[in-house]
Amino acid sequence: SQQGEEDPQALSIQEGENATMNCSYKTSINNLQWYRQNSGRGLVHLILIRSNEREKHSGRLRVTLDTSKKSSSLLITASRAADTASYFCAGVPDSNYQLIWGAGTKLIIKP
Amino acid sequence: NAGVTQTPKFRVLKTGQSMTLLCAQDMNHEYMYWYRQDPGMGLRLIHYSVGEGTTAKGEVPDGYNVSRLKKQNFLLGLESAAPSQTSVYFCASSYRRGQGSNQPQHFGDGTRLSIL
Repeated sequence: SQQGEEDPQALSIQEGENATMNCSYKTSINNLQWYRQNSGRGLVHLILIRSNEREKHSGRLRVTLDTSKKSSSLLITASRAADTASYFCAGVPDSNYQLIWGAGTKLIIKP
Repeated sequence: NAGVTQTPKFRVLKTGQSMTLLCAQDMNHEYMYWYRQDPGMGLRLIHYSVGEGTTAKGEVPDGYNVSRLKKQNFLLGLESAAPSQTSVYFCASSYRRGQGSNQPQHFGDGTRLSIL
């Protein structure tokens, strides 16, 4: 069963605004990955944050990880129409090869 | 490089029919995975493989079989399709965990399967 949850399920903002998505999980994980999925396409890896990192940046993306709260957030700054997609977090457990996936946040950027 | 290629892209089956979904990757990845994605849900792992000739069950393996006879190919079979197997199926691949640890997964664009 899924052990990752994302919040909100859907988010609609104006172009140029910042978008924040949150991910929480129930089990212990080693690292956490974020993926983007455009409509009708496969998932694309965005960023990985390790358990010994609290924050990581990549371009307009900022990811935080709080292992004590078992949560992570993805911030997209200065959003663009092309950022419209679903975003998924995936926890990387120590013990096996199976990623723990969240249900995703559907982000809509209004022009 | 094509990355991960899935065939077919769409398919409609009748209950009880069988079919095979093909996944091919050209990145020399050791690990390959089959997921299903249903509305409002994240990905659920069906089966995975950590190398040629090896397969293992994931979270939802019932009703599916897999084979990995060649490193670059991972096949997903439905022996007797059921309406509950209507879903979008994604194949993914990655390098071995030991190589830099927690390697990202590379996905195909999915197969949309409807079972009537």
